[in-house]
Amino acid sequence: AQSVAQPEDQVNVAEGNPLTVKCTYSVSGNPYLFWYVQYPNRGLQFLLKYITGDNLVKGSYGFEAEFNKSQTSFHLKKPSALVSDSALYFCAVREGTAGNKLTFGGGTRVLVKP
Amino acid sequence: SAVISQKPSRDICQRGTSLTIQCQVDSQVTMMFWYRQQPGQSLTLIATANQGSEATYESGFVIDKFPISRPNLTFSTLTVSNMSPEDSSIYLCSVASGYNEQFFGPGTRLTVL
Repeated sequence: AQSVAQPEDQVNVAEGNPLTVKCTYSVSGNPYLFWYVQYPNRGLQFLLKYITGDNLVKGSYGFEAEFNKSQTSFHLKKPSALVSDSALYFCAVREGTAGNKLTFGGGTRVLVKP
Repeated sequence: SAVISQKPSRDICQRGTSLTIQCQVDSQVTMMFWYRQQPGQSLTLIATANQGSEATYESGFVIDKFPISRPNLTFSTLTVSNMSPEDSSIYLCSVASGYNEQFFGPGTRLTVL
C-alpha cells in the first residue's frame, strides 16, 4: 500500500524568508509525486510533479521540490515566501500511470506573516 | 490543462434526501475520479469512473450510497444518497489522462442538516 506523510500540520514563516513543506512517501514501485495547493473555498491547484529525470523540479508560482529517493522525500520549497502563499498544501503519490490511485498526505497549512 | 466545472458549487440539504453533483470537463478524458474532503481533512478517493463501465469504489464506499454515472468522456455525476450530517464535506471531481497529473474541479461544498 502506498502512503504519504506530511509531518507538520502548520508551517509559519515570515514574508521574504525561505519556505519548506515536508513530505515523505512510501510506495512499492516507482513513485510519481505531486504537490497541490488549496486556497480557501477553492479546489486543488496543481503546483508541480516528479515523474522521472532531474531530482529538482520547478513548478508554478516559484515553487520547487527535490526528489530524494534514499530518504523517500519530496519536500516543497520556495526561496522567498509571499503572504499570498498562505494556503493548504498537499503532497500526493501514485505508483505508475494515471489509472492507479493517487494518495494524499494530510496537508500542511502554511501561514506567511507580513 | 483541463478545465473542470462542478454543479452545484454548494448546497444545504436535509437529512434523508439525495443530491446529485455534476462534473463537466472541457476535453475528453479517460479517467475521472470523485474525492471527498471532510472538514479539516485530506482528500479521500471515493471511486474511479470510467466511460462505458461501472465505477470502481474504494474501501468504505458503496454504490448504493454513492452511485456514479459516466455517460461520455466529458461528463460524470456523483449522487450522495440518503444523506446524514456525516456526509457534510467538499466533493471534488478530478480527471487524468496517461502519465499526467490529475486536475481538480472547484468542488461542491455540501452541508447536511
